[in-house]
Amino acid sequence: KAGVTQTPRYLIKTRGQQVTLSCSPISGHRSVSWYQQTPGQGLQFLFEYFSETQRNKGNFPGRFSGRQFSNSRSEMNVSTLELGDSALYLCASSLGTVLNTEAFFGQGTRLTVV
Amino acid sequence: AQKVTQAQTEISVVEKEDVTLDCVYETRDTTYYLFWYKQPPSGELVFLIRRNSFDEQNEISGRYSWNFQKSTSSFNFTITASQVVDSAVYFCALSSGSARQLTFGSGTQLTVLP
Repeated sequence: KAGVTQTPRYLIKTRGQQVTLSCSPISGHRSVSWYQQTPGQGLQFLFEYFSETQRNKGNFPGRFSGRQFSNSRSEMNVSTLELGDSALYLCASSLGTVLNTEAFFGQGTRLTVV
Repeated sequence: AQKVTQAQTEISVVEKEDVTLDCVYETRDTTYYLFWYKQPPSGELVFLIRRNSFDEQNEISGRYSWNFQKSTSSFNFTITASQVVDSAVYFCALSSGSARQLTFGSGTQLTVLP
């Protein structure tokens, strides 16, 4: 069974640009969550999608957005990039809500903003 | 609001030693789930265990064991006879009905020396 696939693995962008990250969940999983990991703030929740609907959103500015497609694949977009957006972005998929089912994580996309 | 505290930032042990990673959590919900994840250098978070708030039985899986104590709001993780391959960052996490997201602790970097 294939795991969670995130593409690309590495990205270098310039301040002010926008970026789109992709996540393909485990087959059959309908929930996709996104997390940002930085040395200073640790792992922080961005948002969760279930059956193409955003169910929950973390405390991030509107520059961070996402969507989920009918095949459960998800994309995350960050507009007007700032240096502080440099981070490892992790996607997690789960069968149901993260409340009571384990989440399986991808290897992440390491974004560097210069 | 919920919170997870991992007071140990870094732990270093010699191979074959036992090591305990501490986790203290805060939540107002009576139904919640606790998790441990391992993050090797490759970046992905590897699921280790999930416990619900109504099950305080300790669990053992090979060299791993977990001690859940509601009275002290702790969910500690012990590795017996540690091995070099156990070197990683370990995260404790919490999810509950009111938060509907995984809240992670700051992680403990475990280094097992040969």
